[in-house]
Amino acid sequence: GAVVSQHPSWVICKSGTSVKIECRSLDFQATTMFWYRQFPKQSLMLMATSNEGSKATYEQGVEKDKFLINHASLTLSTLTVTSAHPEDSSFYICSAETSGGTDTQYFGPGTRLTVL
Amino acid sequence: GQQLNQSPQSMFIQEGEDVSMNCTSSSIFNTWLWYKQDPGEGPVLLIALYKAGELTSNGRLTAQFGITRKDSFLNISASIPSDVGIYFCAGYNFNKFYFGSGTKLNVKP
Repeated sequence: GAVVSQHPSWVICKSGTSVKIECRSLDFQATTMFWYRQFPKQSLMLMATSNEGSKATYEQGVEKDKFLINHASLTLSTLTVTSAHPEDSSFYICSAETSGGTDTQYFGPGTRLTVL
Repeated sequence: GQQLNQSPQSMFIQEGEDVSMNCTSSSIFNTWLWYKQDPGEGPVLLIALYKAGELTSNGRLTAQFGITRKDSFLNISASIPSDVGIYFCAGYNFNKFYFGSGTKLNVKP
């Protein structure tokens, strides 16, 4: 149980285009999902917390107009990188928090974004 | 903000040896989690701890939630080559997860 999928697993795009990444909880409902960015050989950097039916909460320094988050249902959150630039190239990982007092999050497999 | 200090940063061990890594914080956490991440993949949950003093095992892995709620350790017994990867601790408090910087484990066959 507690499986989280991410799509696509990797994407290459041209500078200036927008890229959408989907995060789905496959076998549980997640009122809260998280989006992380990870640079090589570093830990996870929280970008934003996504709550179903409400606006995402962004961490300091993360541009909300650049990284659009939509949490339309209890099993799906999307991250759209708008007008992507080479410096946005990174490994993006989502996670979903199980409810019911367990305070545990399960990660997706990640999306490798390369902006040319 | 709340920070987790994870150590060691990296380890080089021989197959069959036991491994220990830990995380400490100046803040109290309600939940401690341990994850393993392989290259190019998302972290996979290994063990979740919810009570101070709790000791939980998952196969060759054992983790404890420190009694002060400010620390946790993870032990791996009889390491094997597939244990290679980066191990992260995470603490949960006030609706937020905080991550350690990771311990890179290398196992020599």
